[in-house]
Amino acid sequence: DSGVTQTPKHLITATGQRVTLRCSPRSGDLSVYWYQQSLDQGLQFLIHYYNGEERAKGNILERFSAQQFPDLHSELNLSSLELGDSALYFCASSVTQKNTGELFFGEGSRLTVL
Amino acid sequence: AQTVTQSQPEMSVQEAETVTLSCTYDTSESDYYLFWYKQPPSRQMILVIRQEAYKQQNATENRFSVNFQKAAKSFSLKISDSQLGDAAMYFCAYRSYILTGGGNKLTFGTGTQLKVEL
Repeated sequence: DSGVTQTPKHLITATGQRVTLRCSPRSGDLSVYWYQQSLDQGLQFLIHYYNGEERAKGNILERFSAQQFPDLHSELNLSSLELGDSALYFCASSVTQKNTGELFFGEGSRLTVL
Repeated sequence: AQTVTQSQPEMSVQEAETVTLSCTYDTSESDYYLFWYKQPPSRQMILVIRQEAYKQQNATENRFSVNFQKAAKSFSLKISDSQLGDAAMYFCAYRSYILTGGGNKLTFGTGTQLKVEL
């Protein structure tokens, strides 16, 4: 158990809909990262938040948005969903100070768009 | 921008044998982290081993070890005494050592699917 919690684990929805994925980082971690893993693909970085502020953006579509709340949990909002958005979405967290450098991953939210 | 390349989409190994997975990366930084993550069929991302670039000694974790060649920008993973449970997708990843603003993202390679045969 990495200590990172993601909900829901599975989600099935239709094209054009909007969904919200939620992530609770490990206790004490201020950084949250979102990654997308499409079928048989590597992990693509979407966005990074640190203590409520957006720090870096990757290949995140304009239809997607994210935020990190004062209690440090984060939400990834996906709207106007398309078939190609079907993927496994990972959240990861890390500590802020110099450390071992690793990110701790949640179990992922599997999104299926029909 | 940093890039990570894994040139072996698939590898096979016999149980109890040794296998080496390759990874190369490109960066202009001198300090950074390198990782190998394992993704079994459950899709959970599991850290296998880490290496800090300033450390010359290769990291070792039980049956897993790395061959870190900083000048060549190469970071291979050796799995000894392979077990059925080692079957998974293995991702090589890079992370800058500069933890500005709380940290930088992991950049992943495309992965190597490891099959373990009886």
